[in-house]
Amino acid sequence: EPEVTQTPSHQVTQMGQEVILRCVPISNHLYFYWYRQILGQKVEFLVSFYNNEISEKSEIFDDQFSVERPDGSNFTLKIRSTKLEDSAMYFCASSSYAGGLKLFFGSGTQLSVL
Amino acid sequence: QKEVEQDPGPLSVPEGAIVSLNCTYSNSAFQYFMWYRQYSRKGPELLMYTYSSGNKEDGRFTAQVDKSSKYISLFIRDSQPSDSATYLCAMILANAGGTSYGKLTFGQGTILTVHP
Repeated sequence: EPEVTQTPSHQVTQMGQEVILRCVPISNHLYFYWYRQILGQKVEFLVSFYNNEISEKSEIFDDQFSVERPDGSNFTLKIRSTKLEDSAMYFCASSSYAGGLKLFFGSGTQLSVL
Repeated sequence: QKEVEQDPGPLSVPEGAIVSLNCTYSNSAFQYFMWYRQYSRKGPELLMYTYSSGNKEDGRFTAQVDKSSKYISLFIRDSQPSDSATYLCAMILANAGGTSYGKLTFGQGTILTVHP
């Protein structure tokens, strides 16, 4: 079965550094998402992306965050200047069409900000 | 009041037991309801979804929605050790402004262990 691939599985960075989390969505999917889960808390929506534009974003997704689909296969989340509170598991997801309720999630990137 | 509430457990049952997992929600604009399963060090995996009150069955799994009570359930029959995972309820808002497909609001997740 096709799957969403995320790299790296674990990333450690220093506070204030920029990080880029990478995702390869399922190849024929058109809608892409980032979610995060802080340890012990709920999985939270960050942003949805379609047709090279952000469709919707949460209040968490401030100016420090950006997303990009730099080519036909990758989808990235950039955090410009990381904070301690950005430490979390970040999940990428994709779906085949807007009305589809089935999101396919990757295994996540554990981001640790020191 | 939190939008979606789910008892985090943990819940431990013997193999073969019937498991009942539940979520309550406060916003009546939630119209689509999903259950995800998450194994350790993996992303959530969709088990079932529904958008109407009533029951939906898929093999050993039954999803139940009661919109009047703002209460959803997942039942697992003949539970197996391989069912041991965290179970997440998730919901999507739909209102006059449209439906935010892809913007899921999750519950806390219930940790389930099925022991042989």
